[in-house]
Amino acid sequence: EVQLVESGGGLVQPGGSLRLSCAASGFTFSSYSMNWVRQAPGKGLEYISHIGPSSNAIYYADSVKGRFTISRDDGKNSLYLQMNSLGDEDTAVYYCARHYTYFDYWGRGTLVTVSS
Amino acid sequence: EIVLTQSPGTLSLSPGERATLSCRAGQTVSSNYLAWYQQKPGQAPRLLIYGASSRATGIPDRFSGSGSGTDFTLTISRLEPEDFAVYYCQQYGSSPRTFGQGTKVEIK
Repeated sequence: EVQLVESGGGLVQPGGSLRLSCAASGFTFSSYSMNWVRQAPGKGLEYISHIGPSSNAIYYADSVKGRFTISRDDGKNSLYLQMNSLGDEDTAVYYCARHYTYFDYWGRGTLVTVSS
Repeated sequence: EIVLTQSPGTLSLSPGERATLSCRAGQTVSSNYLAWYQQKPGQAPRLLIYGASSRATGIPDRFSGSGSGTDFTLTISRLEPEDFAVYYCQQYGSSPRTFGQGTKVEIK
C-alpha cells in the first residue's frame, strides 16, 4: 500500500525557517517524481514544487522560488522541503504527492503557521 | 501557464440528484491530460479521474469525466451522502501543472 506521511510543520515566526519531510513507503520511491502542494486556510490547491527521479528536474512556483528548496534522499525514501524567509502568505497545509503525470497519491498534510 | 476556471463555485443539490461540474482551460490541454480530485474537509485530495475520462482505482462508476481541448466536465450521476465535497480539476499536459479554484458540492 502506498503511504506518504508528512511531518515537520508547526508555528514559526515571520522570517523564520522550517524543514518539512515526507516519508514514503509501499512503492519504489527512487523511480518516481514527487511534488509539494499547499493549501492556505479556506483556499484552493497551489502546486509549489516538483523533483524528478535522481533530482534530475526541479520546479518551483514563483511564489516560493529563491526561498524554498526541494530535495530527496532515495536511501531513506524521503522527500524534503526547506522553507526559508517565511511570511504570512506561507501559512498553509503542505501536502506531498506522488507524481504519475497526474498526482495519484497524497499524504495527509502538515500544517505550517507563520505568525508572531 | 494554463489557467483553469471551474464553475459553478458552489452547487447545492440533494442526495440522489445529478451533479455536473465544469472546468474550462485558457488554452488547449495537451493530450486531454486533465484530472479531477475530490477533497473532503480535513482530508487530502483524492484522485478521481485522469486523462479526462478514466476513473482511478476504486472510484465508483457514478463518477464520470468527459470533454476535450479546453472544456471538461465531471458528472456524478446520483449523489451519495459521501460525495458532498470540494472538487478540483488539474491539467498536467503542460508545465507547470495547474489546478482550478474548486467547486463545492453542498447538500441542499
